Amino acid sequence: AAGVIQSPRHLIKEKRETATLKCYPIPRHDTVYWYQQGPGQDPQFLISFYEKMQSDKGSIPDRFSAQQFSDYHSELNMSSLELGDSALYFCASSPEGLAGGPARSFTYNEQFFGPGTRLTVL
Amino acid sequence: AQKVTQAQTEISVVEKEDVTLDCVYETRDTTYYLFWYKQPPSGELVFLIRRNSFDEQNEISGRYSWNFQKSTSSFNFTITASQVVDSAVYFCALSEAISGGYNKLIFGAGTRLAVHP
Repeated sequence: AAGVIQSPRHLIKEKRETATLKCYPIPRHDTVYWYQQGPGQDPQFLISFYEKMQSDKGSIPDRFSAQQFSDYHSELNMSSLELGDSALYFCASSPEGLAGGPARSFTYNEQFFGPGTRLTVL
Repeated sequence: AQKVTQAQTEISVVEKEDVTLDCVYETRDTTYYLFWYKQPPSGELVFLIRRNSFDEQNEISGRYSWNFQKSTSSFNFTITASQVVDSAVYFCALSEAISGGYNKLIFGAGTRLAVHP
C-alpha cells in the first residue's frame, strides 16, 4: 500500500539559509499535518491543511511557512535557519474529514506518518 | 488544556521481563482519542493503538496490552516478556474532538525503553 512520502530524507543547511521540505500524502488523503521533533523531544504540531486551506496552527515560527497544493502535496518552507531548527520533521496525512454535520459531531481520521526529514543546521 | 504526561523518562529491563509504561492525560473534552506510538532508533513513528474515550475495554495484541481507566485519566501500556527488539522510545498521544475531523496529536515526552539481553 502507498505510504506518505517525504523528501528529502536528510538535509544539511547552514545558518541563515532556507530549506523546503516536501510531503506527498497517501492518494485520496486531503489533510496534511506537519510536526517537528527536536533531539530528545516529543513531536510538536506545527500546522495542518485540509483541502488546501490551513486548518490549524501550532507553534510554528514566523520564519516558517507552508502550503498545500492542488495535488494535495504540501511544502514546508523554512527561512533564516537557526541551529535550533535542527530536528526531525514529520508529515502525516489523513483521509477526508467530516464536512458539516452537528456542531459537536466528532470523527477521527487516522493520521499516517511519513518517515520524516532529518534537518541539520550547521 | 490538553496535556499528556509520561513520568518515566527511561526504563531499563532484562529480556523476558514484563514492563509497564505509564501515561496520564488531561483534557476538558468528553470525546477524545488516545494513542501509543513506537519510535525505534531508525526514527520513524510506528502506530500501535488508538482508543476512543467511550471504550474502556482493555486490549491485548500479542505481547502488548493496554489498560485505559477514565477514572484516573490513564492509558498504560504493558509489554509482556520483553525482547531486545522492543527497545525504542514510546510516545503516548491525545487527540481531542474537533468538528470537521481534522485534529492534531498532542504527544507526551516519551519513555525510552532499553531491553537488555
